[in-house]
Amino acid sequence: GAVVSQHPSRVICKSGTSVKIECRSLDFQATTMFWYRQFPKQSLMLMATSNEGSKATYEQGVEKDKFLINHASLTLSTLTVTSAHPEDSSFYICSARPPEEGSEAFFGQGTRLTVV
Amino acid sequence: LAKTTQPISMDSYEGQEVNITCSHNNIATNDYITWYQQFPSQGPRFIIQGYKTKVTNEVASLFIPADRKSSTLSLPRVSLSDTAVYYCLVGANNQGGKLIFGQGTELSVKP
Repeated sequence: GAVVSQHPSRVICKSGTSVKIECRSLDFQATTMFWYRQFPKQSLMLMATSNEGSKATYEQGVEKDKFLINHASLTLSTLTVTSAHPEDSSFYICSARPPEEGSEAFFGQGTRLTVV
Repeated sequence: LAKTTQPISMDSYEGQEVNITCSHNNIATNDYITWYQQFPSQGPRFIIQGYKTKVTNEVASLFIPADRKSSTLSLPRVSLSDTAVYYCLVGANNQGGKLIFGQGTELSVKP
């Protein structure tokens, strides 16, 4: 079946540094990918829609200059957390859906970010 | 986007059938209903999807009444490994279709 893969699965960084998370669709092309954030014991919160070849669309309250999204190819979207702070520590998850009609969305395994 | 409402938590015992109902009163005509399962520190995993009536696969059944304002996920004979959070989502079934997560239902299966 279709697979969406994230890398890295976990990362620890120092405050003030930037971290890049990759999301790949391994066996299908995705013109659109989605990025979510999940805090402990909470649901997934949609952060932004990543659009191949154009700017990402951010949900209300999500800082676009803080969370940079690049969707440079049909199989890769990246989320860069810039100038990370401890409050950015969270579980980041991406998703994408194959183009075939009726396909379900697939989610990556998630990236655990810890900012120290 | 249609909002969903589910019970926050449910308890069950091994071998029992579990039914989780989700309300989505303002579902749109082109929205599909999809259920996902999530274990701690993992991405959500697809369980089942439907548009109307009943859908069954190897792991679950999905019951959708004619008005589509609710749906029920049925898990037959649950085991301890079914302990997870279950999310009901509604949305367009295309590549650009956003999936907005509600609070989900935390299912705890006991021996």
